[in-house]
Amino acid sequence: GAVVSQHPSRVICKSGTSVKIECRSLDFQATTMFWYRQFPKKSLMLMATSNEGSKATYEQGVEKDKFLINHASLTLSTLTVTSAHPEDSSFYICSAREWSSATWGEQYFGPGTRLTVT
Amino acid sequence: QKEVEQNSGPLSVPEGAIASLNCTYSDRVSQSFFWYRQYSGKSPELIMSIYSNGDKEDGRFTAQLNKASQYVSLLIRDSQPSDSATYLCAVKTQGAQKLVFGQGTRLTINP
Repeated sequence: GAVVSQHPSRVICKSGTSVKIECRSLDFQATTMFWYRQFPKKSLMLMATSNEGSKATYEQGVEKDKFLINHASLTLSTLTVTSAHPEDSSFYICSAREWSSATWGEQYFGPGTRLTVT
Repeated sequence: QKEVEQNSGPLSVPEGAIASLNCTYSDRVSQSFFWYRQYSGKSPELIMSIYSNGDKEDGRFTAQLNKASQYVSLLIRDSQPSDSATYLCAVKTQGAQKLVFGQGTRLTINP
């Protein structure tokens, strides 16, 4: 149980284009999803927390107009990197938490999306 | 002071030995503690969760929590080369949604 998928697993795009990453919980309803980014050999950095049906809460320093998050259903959240630039190249990972885990907080991670902006 | 601290390593352990990973946290109202394993180039995988003081065992893994001293540890018995990875400690504070992660400890099991 607790399987989270992400699509695509790898994407290469040109500078200035937008990229959408999907995160799906396959066998549970995810009331809350989280988006992280990770640079090589660095720790996870939380970008935003999204609750189904609500606007995402962004961490300090994360541009909400650049990283658009939508959590329209209990099984799907999307992250759109708008007008991507080479410095946005990173490993983007989502995680999901179901309602019953809200108190204790277990999060299950997707496999990640490696974004390269040329 | 960082909220969740781990020794970044690398920690080298011979195959078959016990690997001991430690984590300290600063927020006394922390209530949930997790260990994630992350292989190079992959995403984190939840391997242990612990919520109350004491030990929790799952196969070769034992998580230990001491809230008075504000530390949580992970023991890996009979270490295998496949245990070589970065281990992330994560802590959730009561009432918070997010987990706070340590920077991770890189573990290498030497055959």
